[in-house]
Amino acid sequence: GQQLNQSPQSMFIQEGEDVSMNCTSSSIFNTWLWYKQDPGEGPVLLIALYKAGELTSNGRLTAQFGITRKDSFLNISASIPSDVGIYFCAGMNYGGSQGNLIFGKGTKLSVKP
Amino acid sequence: GAGVSQSPRYKVAKRGQDVALRCDPISGHVSLFWYQQALGQGPEFLTYFQNEAQLDKSGLPSDRFFAERPEGSVSTLKIQRTQQEDSAVYLCASSLRDRVNTGELFFGEGSRLTVL
Repeated sequence: GQQLNQSPQSMFIQEGEDVSMNCTSSSIFNTWLWYKQDPGEGPVLLIALYKAGELTSNGRLTAQFGITRKDSFLNISASIPSDVGIYFCAGMNYGGSQGNLIFGKGTKLSVKP
Repeated sequence: GAGVSQSPRYKVAKRGQDVALRCDPISGHVSLFWYQQALGQGPEFLTYFQNEAQLDKSGLPSDRFFAERPEGSVSTLKIQRTQQEDSAVYLCASSLRDRVNTGELFFGEGSRLTVL
């Protein structure tokens, strides 16, 4: 089946640093989404991308839908402590089962000791 | 409440026991989903309802897993004869009908199942 590869698996941030993570797929998607999950909580949608090449921002977050439709990246500028958590990319195709999102394994953001 | 509500938050079951997990979606959301999230992994799709109709159950891992939503609101995920590999967080999500194809899902906090 379809699989998403997220990198890096984990990273440490210092407040104020910019952060970048990406997601690649073996097959194309029509929609890319980025969700964030805090410990003990469900994922929360951050950004949704619907068109190849689309670049979308949400505050300090910027995400792009790759032109090949097989990848996406998420950037966080000027990170703050509450950015800590696990970030998941997810892909979806039209038709078939709506809401059947394929999730990556996540990128865990932690604070540098 | 304003969000998706799931109960119990934590469930410990002995191998072979049956369990039932409940989901109360956001009021007005006709679409409801169940996902399974193993430790250190992303959520994996189990099943999808639109109102009371189960439109997709392709993600259910075996016939021990059964989901229902008889009145198109609250949903129950039932796992019969639980096994250790069933240990995971079970996430419920809901969505407005016209937002389903956008991937905009609202997740609950999940029910963490541990099978001993």
